[in-house]
Amino acid sequence: SQQGEEDPQALSIQEGENATMNCSYKTSINNLQWYRQNSGRGLVHLILIRSNEREKHSGRLRVTLDTSKKSSSLLITASRAADTASYFCATDAGSNYKLTFGKGTLLTVNP
Amino acid sequence: GAGVSQSPSNKVTEKGKDVELRCDPISGHTALYWYRQSLGQGLEFLIYFQGNSAPDKSGLPSDRFSAERTGGSVSTLTIQRTQQEDSAVYLCASSSPSSGEGEKLFFGSGTQLSVL
Repeated sequence: SQQGEEDPQALSIQEGENATMNCSYKTSINNLQWYRQNSGRGLVHLILIRSNEREKHSGRLRVTLDTSKKSSSLLITASRAADTASYFCATDAGSNYKLTFGKGTLLTVNP
Repeated sequence: GAGVSQSPSNKVTEKGKDVELRCDPISGHTALYWYRQSLGQGLEFLIYFQGNSAPDKSGLPSDRFSAERTGGSVSTLTIQRTQQEDSAVYLCASSSPSSGEGEKLFFGSGTQLSVL
């Protein structure tokens, strides 16, 4: 079964609105990462948050991590049409190299 | 190179044929991964190479799948006697475990494999 599960599976918003995606996982982690995928091809790393961190920011991205609930959220503020993509969370499940990905959230930002 | 390079970008083959997919990682990256992504699904781990260590092959779905990495650089994923269920995007990624961003993976654009 998937270590990380994103919620919702799909999200459609208007340009300028904020988008929030959630990720839940099952086992202890060292870190959690978020990736973005355009058009079903290569993934691009967005942000990494370590298990001892609770919040991290990068530009318009804000990631939170709650290890007690085994969950993370990705917030994209002031969304743009170019943010349209699939977003995946990935966890290491305690491994020092193997990342396990969820099925992703498909975000559509309408102009 | 500047990024992870995969070839071919698309491969159409007939059921029962063998295929080879190639990955050229970022220069200096010692870790190399293969993942598979079926339509609308997440990424499924296949295999991991790190330096001269024995690869982690725990994700290979059957003995029809094999991979090698020559000279610690280029990797080839081979699928023998392809089946229709092998149709997917095969993604390669590399990383530099010794760097400050060792956990971050850099992905190629993938090979879209279609088995008819």
